Amino acid sequence: DAKTTQPNSMESNEEEPVHLPCNHSTISGTDYIHWYRQLPSQGPEYVIHGLTSNVNNRMASLAIAEDRKSSTLILHRATLRDAAVYYCILSNTDKLIFGTGTRLQVFP
Amino acid sequence: SAVISQKPSRDICQRGTSLTIQCQVDSQVTMMFWYRQQPGQSLTLIATANQGSEATYESGFVIDKFPISRPNLTFSTLTVSNMSPEDSSIYLCSVRFSGPYNEQFFGPGTRLTVL
Repeated sequence: DAKTTQPNSMESNEEEPVHLPCNHSTISGTDYIHWYRQLPSQGPEYVIHGLTSNVNNRMASLAIAEDRKSSTLILHRATLRDAAVYYCILSNTDKLIFGTGTRLQVFP
Repeated sequence: SAVISQKPSRDICQRGTSLTIQCQVDSQVTMMFWYRQQPGQSLTLIATANQGSEATYESGFVIDKFPISRPNLTFSTLTVSNMSPEDSSIYLCSVRFSGPYNEQFFGPGTRLTVL
């Protein structure tokens, strides 16, 4: 599985937008870009995924660079409930291999 | 979507004993996985549970230590054998409908403490 690089931690204030970056310079043409998050004391939950085009859903937006070597998860208005570890994962198989993720802190 | 339950939710066990963790899904799913999350760490994939055949283990995990069963499309068990304190972790069951573009669902986890 191709490797991803994420900052260890990020901070945001409530109701501000958050841009979580992910570098994946060795991505292959068949790799999907997945984002999951893990809230405290819970199992991970799906956030969003994409292949080549930018994607939007009710939770977030995923912006994918034209060369696909990086992507950004965008939370449009952070809430306290968005405080979690966010994982960027590349996968072209049925397995998800987790990296270390970004711990997002949200301040009131 | 899929809703996953795990039993037990937590347990405290003595060194040298074994614990079996159950995972039940509310719908038939193609793929079932077991992960381990050690304290303060990310998730590590233990194995893929295959229906009707032996599980597929990731590097560093062996069947003798983590035997897995999957008798049907909605149920799987993971046994942690001959436990030591290093096995203290959260063990998570996860499911997915086949395809790298599909969402993966996770259970609430089983918190295991080995004394």
